[in-house]
Amino acid sequence: DVQLVESGGGLVQPGGSLRLSCAASGFTFSTSWMHWVRQVPGKGLVWVARINGDGGSTTYAASMKGRFTISRDNTKNTLYLQMNSLRAEDTALYYCVRLGAAADHYWGQGTLVTVSS
Amino acid sequence: QSGLTQPPSISGTPGQRVTISCSGSNSNIGSNNVYWYQQFPGTAPRLLIYTNDQRPSGVPDRFSGSKSGTSASLAISGLRSEDEADYFCAAWDNSLSLLFGGGTKLTVL
Repeated sequence: DVQLVESGGGLVQPGGSLRLSCAASGFTFSTSWMHWVRQVPGKGLVWVARINGDGGSTTYAASMKGRFTISRDNTKNTLYLQMNSLRAEDTALYYCVRLGAAADHYWGQGTLVTVSS
Repeated sequence: QSGLTQPPSISGTPGQRVTISCSGSNSNIGSNNVYWYQQFPGTAPRLLIYTNDQRPSGVPDRFSGSKSGTSASLAISGLRSEDEADYFCAAWDNSLSLLFGGGTKLTVL
């Protein structure tokens, strides 16, 4: 079975940094585009970033570009999101997601990031 | 880049057919496939429809998707109480961003 398990969330002060991780299993991680999507509890979904299989191509949502960095380690089947200069409005549940071309969409359970002093 | 537009809420009675709309533009829905997700409180989204009108295995045929021009729709027929959830549409934009709709809360009366 496909499993995506996020970790690394927590409470951080405004201006601080946090690195999220996502451990993947049950599929060929090294050839899969991977994404981060966030959601303020009770609100809508917002796409954050994506990365291709070998890590050579990344794309970011405009509001996150320059502050967030998506990366991966295919030897560890792990996806990362480095978040810097965090703001209160970055408070959300962050999902690790595999979005295949067809029905192979898989979501982790999310890790909660709270930015507050 | 703004997101896709959905009605914030809809409601229906058991057995009824309801439709959720999703409006975009030429650069997203008009050019790319649409996906629909269902989300229950406290859980991750679940794929309901992919490539505009295809159902993953395990999704009841009461759920159907369609696309026309820059708009898409999710129809739920034979409404059941367990369909009460939030529904989100999504589509890639030609700017290489994935856009989501704001979500529609379905209430089964």
